[in-house]
Amino acid sequence: GQNIDQPTEMTATEGAIVQINCTYQTSGFNGLFWYQQHAGEAPTFLSYNVLDGLEEKGRFSSFLSRSKGYSYLLLKELQMKDSASYLCAVTPTTDSWGKLQFGAGTQVVVTP
Amino acid sequence: DAGVIQSPRHEVTEMGQEVTLRCKPISGHNSLFWYRQTMMRGLELLIYFNNNVPIDDSGMPEDRFSAKMPNASFSTLKIQPSEPRDSAVYFCASSASTDTQYFGPGTRLTVL
Repeated sequence: GQNIDQPTEMTATEGAIVQINCTYQTSGFNGLFWYQQHAGEAPTFLSYNVLDGLEEKGRFSSFLSRSKGYSYLLLKELQMKDSASYLCAVTPTTDSWGKLQFGAGTQVVVTP
Repeated sequence: DAGVIQSPRHEVTEMGQEVTLRCKPISGHNSLFWYRQTMMRGLELLIYFNNNVPIDDSGMPEDRFSAKMPNASFSTLKIQPSEPRDSAVYFCASSASTDTQYFGPGTRLTVL
């Protein structure tokens, strides 16, 4: 079956660093996405990992270990506007490309 | 460039009524996805099209739901008859080939 786990909520202070972990057990693997979703808005793309290692994009970085079925999203120099839900999503198999399986999301609360 | 366009943004209807949600994908994108998001179940893929052809509709909850894509620039998701448990935010997303999915603003549906 398909299973994607991430913490429900995390709280951090403005300027700090937060790491959001995501573990997955899926039938095959073709890539992992991270999306950000502010309350009442649509998910927006943050990052995509298909190979092991770290992808850095400004204040946000994403890491993938395919052998461990594990990814994390690192948010540095937190700003109040980073308060949002962060969704981990996996493309389970090349046979059904495009079919994203989403985790439940991690609500990040940034405090002053 | 315009993003994914959805209409209406909000829909309130009574149980038993027909509801039609509309989506215009980003020009040039050849894949279109319909999602539903609720607090209980998170973000779920309902159906997706590739080059206007339905590829996977295994997420469509039941026969009351149907989706069409008559051309590359338009898709509809219809619920007939609607029920209170269909209340959710419905997102449409589009992508080009193996690229990232871009989400529309969503339609917030309330069935009384």
